[in-house]
Amino acid sequence: GESVGLHLPTLSVQEGDNSIINCAYSNSASDYFIWYKQESGKGPQFIIDIRSNMDKRQGQRVTVLLNKTVKHLSLQIAATQPGDSAVYFCAEKGDTGNQFYFGTGTSLTVIP
Amino acid sequence: EAQVTQNPRYLITVTGKKLTVTCSQNMNHEYMSWYRQDPGLGLRQIYYSMNVEVTDKGDVPEGYKVSRKEKRNFPLILESPSPNQTSLYFCASSGDSSTDTQYFGPGTRLTVL
Repeated sequence: GESVGLHLPTLSVQEGDNSIINCAYSNSASDYFIWYKQESGKGPQFIIDIRSNMDKRQGQRVTVLLNKTVKHLSLQIAATQPGDSAVYFCAEKGDTGNQFYFGTGTSLTVIP
Repeated sequence: EAQVTQNPRYLITVTGKKLTVTCSQNMNHEYMSWYRQDPGLGLRQIYYSMNVEVTDKGDVPEGYKVSRKEKRNFPLILESPSPNQTSLYFCASSGDSSTDTQYFGPGTRLTVL
């Protein structure tokens, strides 16, 4: 089956610094990738997505980079704020059907 | 307010006692899905539905059933729960295609004794 993993289970950054969260995926045929944020006690919340025909997409303070050559996805958060403290998940849509595969998550802690 | 609701939010039950977790969305979404979340394993998809009367297995469907008789509702049924189904369950929905943004419910924490 699909395998989506994150490079680090935890990440601590100083407030105002930039954060980079990484994710590796295994299926080179996957065509859609998403980053979610999950705060304690809540369901995952969509942050940003990217299709396989792109290598970069920017949102408000967030950027997703896709490197299909090495099957790597990253989420960059600019000027990290205390409200960004959460668990971040990457997810991919498999190339067969409409199934989604999630990574195990990275816990981001922002130090004031 | 656009939302996905789940009930109950918390449930403690015993092995073998059938239960249903309801999921409802008010966004007229066609795609709905159930996930379970376990420590160290992230979210794993149980079942999903592209539209009314259309359901498909996800990654971990064993021990679960679903139905999609109406567009807004997608209940998760555990006919004979077992302790390994103790988990945090999320329902999600998205628009016309599965690549639209998925909106997640608040979660249902299930404990099977």
